[in-house]
Amino acid sequence: GQNIDQPTEMTATEGAIVQINCTYQTSGFNGLFWYQQHAGEAPTFLSYNVLDGLEEKGRFSSFLSRSKGYSYLLLKELQMKDSASYLCAVMNTGFQKLVFGTGTRLLVSP
Amino acid sequence: EPEVTQTPSHQVTQMGQEVILRCVPISNHLYFYWYRQILGQKVEFLVSFYNNEISEKSEIFDDQFSVERPDGSNFTLKIRSTKLEDSAMYFCASRLQGKFDHGYTFGSGTRLTVV
Repeated sequence: GQNIDQPTEMTATEGAIVQINCTYQTSGFNGLFWYQQHAGEAPTFLSYNVLDGLEEKGRFSSFLSRSKGYSYLLLKELQMKDSASYLCAVMNTGFQKLVFGTGTRLLVSP
Repeated sequence: EPEVTQTPSHQVTQMGQEVILRCVPISNHLYFYWYRQILGQKVEFLVSFYNNEISEKSEIFDDQFSVERPDGSNFTLKIRSTKLEDSAMYFCASRLQGKFDHGYTFGSGTRLTVV
């Protein structure tokens, strides 16, 4: 079976740093994605990790530990527009469907 | 930036009616997907499509669902006889072969309401 866990909700202040964790158990692993989703909109791609370690992309960084089944998304210098849901998704082997977690709703306050 | 285009953006239909949701994937992408998201719940995989055939489908994708790529550009999802529980946001996605660093590109979705 497959299981992807994320916190349901987090709050943070504008300008701060927040870390959103994701743990997973999956039968076949071919990489992990983070997506941002504003309410009523499509998920938009943030990052992809397949090797252990940290990938940095501007204000956003993503970390993966395959042995621990663990990833996090780090958001720096938070802005109000970062208020959204952040979806962790594992890509399976084979035809590589994405299996999503329930998402973490982040609320950034002034 | 290339986009995945979905039409219509909203669809209201009566229970038991057939609906067709349309998608135009990015032109050089080779893998196509349908996902759905019931309000307040997680994004769920429905079906993947490659080389003009279904490559994988979920338990949700039963006999009431079908997909088609009738020409070189459109990718459709048909629900033959809609149920109330089919009400959801339906997302089409596509990706290049072997290219994951740009992720899967999702369309803006079709909000289906079954009444």
